[in-house]
Amino acid sequence: GIQVEQSPPDLILQEGANSTLRCNFSDSVNNLQWFHQNPWGQLINLFYIPSGTKQNGRLSATTVATERYSLLYISSSQTTDSGVYFCAVEPTYSGAGSYQLTFGKGTKLSVIP
Amino acid sequence: NAGVTQTPKFRVLKTGQSMTLLCAQDMNHEYMYWYRQDPGMGLRLIHYSVGEGTTAKGEVPDGYNVSRLKKQNFLLGLESAAPSQTSVYFCASNNLRGSYYGYTFGSGTRLTVV
Repeated sequence: GIQVEQSPPDLILQEGANSTLRCNFSDSVNNLQWFHQNPWGQLINLFYIPSGTKQNGRLSATTVATERYSLLYISSSQTTDSGVYFCAVEPTYSGAGSYQLTFGKGTKLSVIP
Repeated sequence: NAGVTQTPKFRVLKTGQSMTLLCAQDMNHEYMYWYRQDPGMGLRLIHYSVGEGTTAKGEVPDGYNVSRLKKQNFLLGLESAAPSQTSVYFCASNNLRGSYYGYTFGSGTRLTVV
C-alpha cells in the first residue's frame, strides 16, 4: 500500500516561532488532508489539499503532487498549537467511491511559553 | 448539532469478552469509518461503510465486525476481545459536498483489554 512519512517526528518550539512540517507519500493521490490532534485527543480537519496552496489564518499548506510531498506551515506559534499533526492520503489506485485515508505517524509539536 | 458521537468513552474488558462500540452522526453523511490509534502510530482503518446497509474491510479488520443498519449509526463489534485490541478507537464520517472531503471525527473510545 501507499507509504506516508512525516518529519520531524517531534518538534519543540518557543511561542512565536515558525515551523514547517513535511509529509512525503509514495504514490499519486486523489486526496490529501492535514489533521491536528489536540492534547485531549480530538482530531480536527485542517486542510483538504491534494495540490496547490491554501491558507487559514496562521496555518498554510502546500502540496506538490508531482513530487509527492506536502508541507504544513505554522507561523507565530501559540501554545494552543501543541498536539500531533497528521497527514493522511487517499491513493489514486484505491478506486472511486471509498475515500479511504492512510495516515502518517504524525509530528508531535510542543509549543512552550 | 452533536456531529459524531461515540459511546462509550472508556471501557475495560477481560480477554474473551465481547462488546459493541456505537458511533452516531447527525450530519446525514453517507460515509462512515472506524479507525484505531496505537501509541506512536497514525490512525489505521478497521472497517468503513459507503452507505446504509454496506460495509467493507479496511487495513486491519481481523477480530472486528461492523454493521450499518441505519444511515446515522455505525457499530463496531469485538466478539472475543484480545489484549492486542487495547487501543483508542475513532469513528469518522465524511462530507461529500462538492470537492471538499471534510472529515468529522468523534472524540474516541479508549478500550483496555486485560
